[in-house]
Amino acid sequence: LAKTTQPISMDSYEGQEVNITCSHNNIATNDYITWYQQFPSQGPRFIIQGYKTKVTNEVASLFIPADRKSSTLSLPRVSLSDTAVYYCPITDKLIFGTGTRLQVFP
Amino acid sequence: DSGVTQTPKHLITATGQRVTLRCSPRSGDLSVYWYQQSLDQGLQFLIQYYNGEERAKGNILERFSAQQFPDLHSELNLSSLELGDSALYFCASSRGLAADNEQFFGPGTRLTVL
Repeated sequence: LAKTTQPISMDSYEGQEVNITCSHNNIATNDYITWYQQFPSQGPRFIIQGYKTKVTNEVASLFIPADRKSSTLSLPRVSLSDTAVYYCPITDKLIFGTGTRLQVFP
Repeated sequence: DSGVTQTPKHLITATGQRVTLRCSPRSGDLSVYWYQQSLDQGLQFLIQYYNGEERAKGNILERFSAQQFPDLHSELNLSSLELGDSALYFCASSRGLAADNEQFFGPGTRLTVL
């Protein structure tokens, strides 16, 4: 059964770079790696998606090693508004899990 | 605003009752997904429909059922409700079935069973 593993929680301070790693050992050839952000009492929101190597958009970067068994979401210079839960579901498996709760302090 | 709408926003009912949650996907999206999120819990996938047909099933209880109508809106029916069914229920939609399809989530329906 495809499953992802990520830290339960992380703390950071404003202005720092935050890297959240997700392990997905059973990823299949046709799976994409997607990261979502969720604020309390709201639905998750898409952040970034990739298949291999590195992807960058206006809010984050996603690093995927050659074996694709893990991925790292990088948030540059976080702010208080980045405090949220971050999920890394494998798209074809629809398994979100409990995510990583990121707390950003002033 | 994701373009996905869910009604009602809040629902309070009693144990043993039956409720229906409604979801309208983004315009043009054929896939609809239902998720359950209990307090301090992660998102649990329940069921997916694509163009009116059931596509994938997750941890959905037998007391729960869903369907997608010809106009692509979807309903999630929860019956014989128990206290433990109290949760946020999210609907999401995506364009199709491709593995790289992004899911757009609605604002959720908060169900409270007393």
